[in-house]
Amino acid sequence: GAVVSQHPSWVICKSGTSVKIECRSLDFQATTMFWYRQFPKQSLMLMATSNEGSKATYEQGVEKDKFLINHASLTLSTLTVTSAHPEDSSFYICSAQEGVVTDTQYFGPGTRLTVL
Amino acid sequence: DQQVKQNSPSLSVQEGRISILNCDYTNSMFDYFLWYKKYPAEGPTFLISISSIKDKNEDGRFTVFLNKSAKHLSLHIVPSQPGDSAVYFCAATRTGTASKLTFGTGTRLQVTL
Repeated sequence: GAVVSQHPSWVICKSGTSVKIECRSLDFQATTMFWYRQFPKQSLMLMATSNEGSKATYEQGVEKDKFLINHASLTLSTLTVTSAHPEDSSFYICSAQEGVVTDTQYFGPGTRLTVL
Repeated sequence: DQQVKQNSPSLSVQEGRISILNCDYTNSMFDYFLWYKKYPAEGPTFLISISSIKDKNEDGRFTVFLNKSAKHLSLHIVPSQPGDSAVYFCAATRTGTASKLTFGTGTRLQVTL
């Protein structure tokens, strides 16, 4: 099956710093990539949808200036958490989709972010 | 507003028996449903999906049933195996919405020997 990687798998940073998380589709070209976050014992919440070469579409309540998403190529999307605070600590998961509309999303392994 | 609900946070089943995981949704616009399996500290893995034009889809040991009138779907795993122990999420989407998935809260399945 299709493989999606994320880097890093975990990161600990100080409050006020910025952290970049990479999401790569390894064996297919991803038309669309999605970013989710998951708090402990809760569901995955969609943060934003990004299409290669265009601006990301953010879900209601997600600050686009805080969570910068770049989808520069068909195999790479990055999420940058700017000026991170402890409440940003979470499990961030990306997914990638090759085609359009209801095509299967393949998920990355996730990145555990801890902000001290 | 939780549009997709999995009311059982956990389920324990003996190996070899059937596991039934349930999911309810409130948004009648959803017309495509998926089940994902997730291990701790890993991303979800796609298991099986169903379109609203069907009421059943089968793939090996996994079968998903959809009852549109009740806004309810279920995942049956038979026979259950210890390797099936994981958290199962149902997800729903509306075709034409760029595949935005709305996830349920998950059910932790434990298959015992």
